Amino acid sequence: GEDVEQSLFLSVREGDSSVINCTYTDSSSTYLYWYKQEPGAGLQLLTYIFSNMDMKQDQRLTVLLNKKDKHLSLRIADTQTGDSAIYFCAEKRGTGGGNKLTFGTGTQLKVEL
Amino acid sequence: GEEVAQTPKHLVRGEGQKAKLYCAPIKGHSYVFWYQQVLKNEFKFLISFQNENVFDETGMPKERFSAKCLPNSPCSLEIQATKLEDSAVYFCASSRNDGGEFFGPGTRLTVL
Repeated sequence: GEDVEQSLFLSVREGDSSVINCTYTDSSSTYLYWYKQEPGAGLQLLTYIFSNMDMKQDQRLTVLLNKKDKHLSLRIADTQTGDSAIYFCAEKRGTGGGNKLTFGTGTQLKVEL
Repeated sequence: GEEVAQTPKHLVRGEGQKAKLYCAPIKGHSYVFWYQQVLKNEFKFLISFQNENVFDETGMPKERFSAKCLPNSPCSLEIQATKLEDSAVYFCASSRNDGGEFFGPGTRLTVL
């Protein structure tokens, strides 16, 4: 199928870790991305991983990729109130630079004090 | 520039009127993309360009939507005879050959 799936909602306490999960569909995906969208704003590229990697760490963010299960996750360490937003995973299928992104449904992260 | 710029920020049109949206990609990026965010969480791909050439237009409603990326000009997305269902936020993004797509702030189109 075409769908990239995410759970709709996640609530965490400030200071805890957040883990946002994503299941994608296409084994030919070359890059997998995480974007953040705050209310009324555009998409901020957080990080991305090439499909031949299984982990990438960037400051508080850790991306894990399980290619066999087509499962991608984003871990945010020491979650802060400023991390409250909608997080989208996206896949780029094939190798063409102009190939489109297919987005997940988005996960609303709420960080509580 | 270092960021994708989109104008206008908001656009209001009566049904049947024309709407034209503009995008300036990041300098040095050869790919430009247009996406439509209709519902809060749903992104629909419209079209991509490699420099001034159409790369993939499979998402474009052919009858009323058109887009261009001409040298030394902002890229544009034009909707002829807008319909109520065209109300959405339209995002432009640009990228190099590999790596991430960087998105602009979007243009919110409201069709009344």
